[in-house]
Amino acid sequence: QVTLKESGPGILQPSQTLSLTCTFSGFSLSTYGMGVGWIRQPSGKGLEWLANIWWDDDKYYNPSLKNRLTISKDTSNNQAFLKITNVDTADTATYYCARILMATAYWYFDFWGPGTMVTVSS
Amino acid sequence: DTVLTQSPALAVSPGERVTISCRASESVSTGMHWYQQKPGQQPKLLIYGASNLESGVPARFSGSGSGTDFTLTIDPVEADDTATYFCQQSWNDLTFGSGTKLEIK
Repeated sequence: QVTLKESGPGILQPSQTLSLTCTFSGFSLSTYGMGVGWIRQPSGKGLEWLANIWWDDDKYYNPSLKNRLTISKDTSNNQAFLKITNVDTADTATYYCARILMATAYWYFDFWGPGTMVTVSS
Repeated sequence: DTVLTQSPALAVSPGERVTISCRASESVSTGMHWYQQKPGQQPKLLIYGASNLESGVPARFSGSGSGTDFTLTIDPVEADDTATYFCQQSWNDLTFGSGTKLEIK
């Protein structure tokens, strides 16, 4: 059974660095074709993809946020991480991690965590 | 960026057939996927690769299309299908549509 769960600080101040952890079970990030992605959603709004990390440690970032994002993983502990530097109120959102499955020429998110709410406020 | 355009909202009655569209600003081949999100919940995968039904998803849901025009069909619609439906492409980086809010009358 695949499960994922996000954890984060809940609230932080502008200009700080947001650190998020995704703890998962039921799969391994060392398995060929597996990946974990981060997606966020401001309250009442749509979904915004942030970053992916793959089994081979390859990383992909949303080009519009790339200079503020760092994704990493700890395969032995079944965790993935995302850091966002220099946050401001526009980063207030629910942050999701999700497992990625790769199939031929595309990939998609097949399991999602319940999300963690992050508020940026002074 | 590949922009995905969805109509904002639809309202249908139980038992009817509903089609939700997603248009891409450039071709994404069959790299289109559909998710259902109910209020207060995380998104759930319904369709991947434009037309493949995810395991455990009722056969009332189906997907079609390729290139730039895609459709998610629910037939027949049930009251529990009240949700927002997002399309997502992974052919050119990754982008999501803005979502279609489906109301069951």
